[in-house]
Amino acid sequence: EVQLVESGGGLVQPGESLRLSCAASGFTFSSYAMSWVRQAPGKGLEWVSVISGSGGSPDYADSVKGRFTISRDNSKNTVYLEMNSLRAGDTAVYYCAKVEAIAAVGRGGLKYFRHWGQGTLVTVSS
Amino acid sequence: EVVLTQAPGTLSLSPGERATLSCRASQSVRSNYLGWYQQKPGQAPRLLIYGPSSRATGIPDRFSGSGSGTDFTLTISRLEPEDFAVYYCQQYSGSVYTFGQGTKLEIK
Repeated sequence: EVQLVESGGGLVQPGESLRLSCAASGFTFSSYAMSWVRQAPGKGLEWVSVISGSGGSPDYADSVKGRFTISRDNSKNTVYLEMNSLRAGDTAVYYCAKVEAIAAVGRGGLKYFRHWGQGTLVTVSS
Repeated sequence: EVVLTQAPGTLSLSPGERATLSCRASQSVRSNYLGWYQQKPGQAPRLLIYGPSSRATGIPDRFSGSGSGTDFTLTISRLEPEDFAVYYCQQYSGSVYTFGQGTKLEIK
């Protein structure tokens, strides 16, 4: 059974930093890209960042580029999100998600989130 | 960036009825594939549909997805009480993942 368990959330002041962790089990971790998706209180889902199975090719949403860094340790089956210069607008539940892909011949394909963690709440407030 | 717009924002129906949820893209989705997710209060999202109309593990066959280009639909053929939730569509292109803003399906 796939399990994703996030930790590291909490209350921080604007401008401070926080590191989230997501411990994975139940699948071959290094074979899958992993992503972070957030949800502000009462709002919809917003993709934040993704990292390939090997740890390369990180991508970020424009809203966090230059402030957040995604990384992974395949020996520990864990993916991280280092968040710097936090703002009130970063307040959200942060979900870790396992990325899978389906190809559309000649038309690229879809990458989607098959498994999700339970989320960890980050609150940025003075 | 492809923007996904879901309609309606809220859909009020009764158990046993058919639900049709729309997701419109700001430009053509090259793959013609979307993901659809269900989220209940206090829970993480759950994958329902991916690709053309593949159901995730354990998803009943009353859920189906269709569409191409810019217009996509999630259909729930006969609503069960547990289906009342918020639904999101999602696409991937240009190394960016985007979600629609969600449709809340509520009991009438």
